[in-house]
Order: sequence, then C-alpha cells, then structure tokens
Amino acid sequence: SAVISQKPSRDICQRGTSLTIQCQVDSQVTMMFWYRQQPGQSLTLIATANQGSEATYESGFVIDKFPISRPNLTFSTLTVSNMSPEDSSIYLCSVLAKRIGNEQFFGPGTRLTVL
Amino acid sequence: QQQVKQSPQSLIVQKGGIPIINCAYENTAFDYFPWYQQFPGKGPALLIAIRPDVSEKKEGRFTISFNKSAKQFSLHIMDSQPGDSATYFCANTGTASKLTFGTGTRLQVTL
Repeated sequence: SAVISQKPSRDICQRGTSLTIQCQVDSQVTMMFWYRQQPGQSLTLIATANQGSEATYESGFVIDKFPISRPNLTFSTLTVSNMSPEDSSIYLCSVLAKRIGNEQFFGPGTRLTVL
Repeated sequence: QQQVKQSPQSLIVQKGGIPIINCAYENTAFDYFPWYQQFPGKGPALLIAIRPDVSEKKEGRFTISFNKSAKQFSLHIMDSQPGDSATYFCANTGTASKLTFGTGTRLQVTL
C-alpha cells in the first residue's frame, strides 16, 4: 500500500483564519482526493485534486472555501478558508494507485478544531 | 453522491461471534466495493474489497458476500476478537474512482 502522511496532525484555530493541510505520498499516484469526516460521522468527498489543473469539487463544496493544489504526483494541499466552528472536522486525503488496482488508501487525517 | 445504506449503526458481539454488517447500494454502474476499518484517531484502513463478478471473497477472518441482483453486500467477521472493535465503513465506486461511503457501523467485541 502507499504510505501517506499529513501535516499537521491536528490544530486548533480561531474563527476567520485559514489553515493549509499538506498530504505527501511516498510514490507517484494517479489520483488524490480530499475527504471530510465530521465528528462521529461518515466520510464525505470534498474534491478530486487534479495534477496541474483546478480541482474537481463535489456538490456543496466550493473552491473559495476549500482551495486545493496538486503541483506534482506525490503532493497536495487543502486549505480551509475563513474558518467557522462548523468546519471542525477530520480532513483526510486519499490516493488511488493504479499499479495496485482500484484500492484507495487514506492518510492519518488532520483533526481541526475551530473556536 | 449516490447513497450507500449501511446497517446496523452499532453492534455488540462476544468474542468468537460472527458480526455481520450489511450495505445496500443504488447505482448499478458501480464496480468496486471496499470495506474500511477505522480505529479512533486514525484514518480508514482498507480491509477487503470485491468486484461484482464474484459472489464471495475471503481474506483471513473477513468475508464479503455480494448479491448483485439485490444490490447488497455484507461483511462477515469470523471468530471476532476484541481487537476488531472499530468502526466499519462500506463504500462503492465506479469509473471516476470517487468513493461513496456508508454511514458506518460501530462494532464492539466483548470478552
């Protein structure tokens, strides 16, 4: 499986500020995704991070709130902008490695608390 | 996103029991059905996955049963252990590889 790291692992932020989360993979992957998991809930896809082009967002998520970058095949960032307490969640990146099959592997997550 | 209905929401079994978690999906175009295991404070870990061309897949103590006509699939954990206590998510995906997750089942295995 791919080894995925995320930074930071957790953070406590003030309302109105922004936080950028990094996702690093140990090998080149075909696709990278960002998910949100609210406390005690399931995972919801935010967007697909596209290498060299704008991310593809799911319904209910917009680029102004969750800008995403993917400058190469092993790295992506998700920014949570102008945060409010409702943004308190775990944010997870996942990767799809075609060489393994259709398996998607998840990073450890970033636990965000907004005060 | 298409829904995946998962049940039960929570489950308590004794050690050695066989918990069964069920999922029902809507989109017949989906062709990949994974199960993830998540421990508190960790990201989901891929446990086992199946494609619709087979009706059952077993890996160790974990078995997926797939019923294509009913659009249902289930996870069975044989000889369950306290270390299996976790939240389990079913999911499915199609050609876009975007995972749609079930609502999760919190499993507790008691001694």
